[in-house]
Amino acid sequence: QVQLVESGGGVVQPGGSLRLSCAASGFSFSNYDMHWVRQAPGKGLEWVAFIRYDGNNKYYAASVKGRFTISRDNSKNTLYLQMNSLRAEDTALYYCAKAIAVAGTSHFDCWGQGTLVTVSS
Amino acid sequence: QSALTQEASVSGTVGQKVTLSCTGNSINIGSFAVGWYQQISHGAPKTVMFGNSLPSGIPDRFSGSKSGTTASLTISGLQPEDEADYYCSTWDYSLSAWVFGGGTKLTVL
Repeated sequence: QVQLVESGGGVVQPGGSLRLSCAASGFSFSNYDMHWVRQAPGKGLEWVAFIRYDGNNKYYAASVKGRFTISRDNSKNTLYLQMNSLRAEDTALYYCAKAIAVAGTSHFDCWGQGTLVTVSS
Repeated sequence: QSALTQEASVSGTVGQKVTLSCTGNSINIGSFAVGWYQQISHGAPKTVMFGNSLPSGIPDRFSGSKSGTTASLTISGLQPEDEADYYCSTWDYSLSAWVFGGGTKLTVL
């Protein structure tokens, strides 16, 4: 079955960088669009970034645009999120999610367990 | 402030039918299908509805609908295990971003 395993989270100082990974298995990774979604402590879900199956189209939330970069390596079945210039408000549990297109709209299909990023001095 | 508006909390008794709503505008819900996501006790989200389509493994007591700029998730025959936070989401054409509602805490009495 579909499995998504995030890693790379940790504690980082404000202004620092971190790269998250999401290892995918149980489906043909190279055929599917992917998302990153985050959840700050005690808060709701917030979409972060999207990448097309071939890596050619990317979208970012306004709150992370210019600081975060989504990428993928289809040969390794892995999704990445490079996070630079981190701020305290980036503290959250980061989920990767497999996308599914239904009725012409992309939705979040399967989710990983998340990796925790804490930005603190 | 979320782009989509959901009730903060809804409650119901076992066996009851409850409906959760998600209100947006013409450039998000009015134009695109809505997804619904269940989160139990702050665990990983689980997808329970894409538009009107039920994902594999989700019981058919869950159903989705949309009227204009408001989407709804209805749970018929509420069960104790349905107690969770529920989030709606869709694409927003103006923002070029996926947007979520603030979430509804569903309590099963």
